[in-house]
Amino acid sequence: EAGVVQSPRYKIIEKKQPVAFWCNPISGHNTLYWYLQNLGQGPELLIRYENEEAVDDSQLPKDRFSAERLKGVDSTLKIQPAELGDSAVYLCASSNSGAHTGELFFGEGSRLTVL
Amino acid sequence: DQQVKQNSPSLSVQEGRISILNCDYTNSMFDYFLWYKKYPAEGPTFLISISSIKDKNEDGRFTVFLNKSAKHLSLHIVPSQPGDSAVYFCAASGAGTASKLTFGTGTRLQVTL
Repeated sequence: EAGVVQSPRYKIIEKKQPVAFWCNPISGHNTLYWYLQNLGQGPELLIRYENEEAVDDSQLPKDRFSAERLKGVDSTLKIQPAELGDSAVYLCASSNSGAHTGELFFGEGSRLTVL
Repeated sequence: DQQVKQNSPSLSVQEGRISILNCDYTNSMFDYFLWYKKYPAEGPTFLISISSIKDKNEDGRFTVFLNKSAKHLSLHIVPSQPGDSAVYFCAASGAGTASKLTFGTGTRLQVTL
């Protein structure tokens, strides 16, 4: 069974440029998450989808960040314009919403460097 | 406000010895706790979990202990192996928010030969 797939793995851009990250969750997983991980910190939730609906986006900086999950499968996270402080690893995760345990399956992450 | 805290950023243990990683939490609504393991350049992977109705859960070399009154949990690895060298994250979720995990800052474990 394929795991959560993310691309690109690495991205270097100049500040004020746009950037987009893509995520393909595990097949059959209804719930999809985007997490932000800064250096030396734990992952922090940006947005959570149940199918195609964003059910928790309270931590998403909506002035520059946007996300979508068309058809309830793949998802894209966009930053426009990027700032120096956005340099971090962006992790996508998915889970079976029927499981109460909260176990998430993470992708390898997309490391963003903003110069 | 850090609701899940891992106060030891790093830990070094000899191979074959016990590794004990600690985690404290402040939110009394948390009722499910998980440990994730992360290797460099990889995403975190689930290791072991425990529900608040238990005080211990064991899976092979890994045991998690939960002390609800102290709001403290620990992960024991016995015996420690070099392949266990990684960053370990404690995470918690609350009743009604099972899908929302709050992570600690992680503890880097190094198992030496």
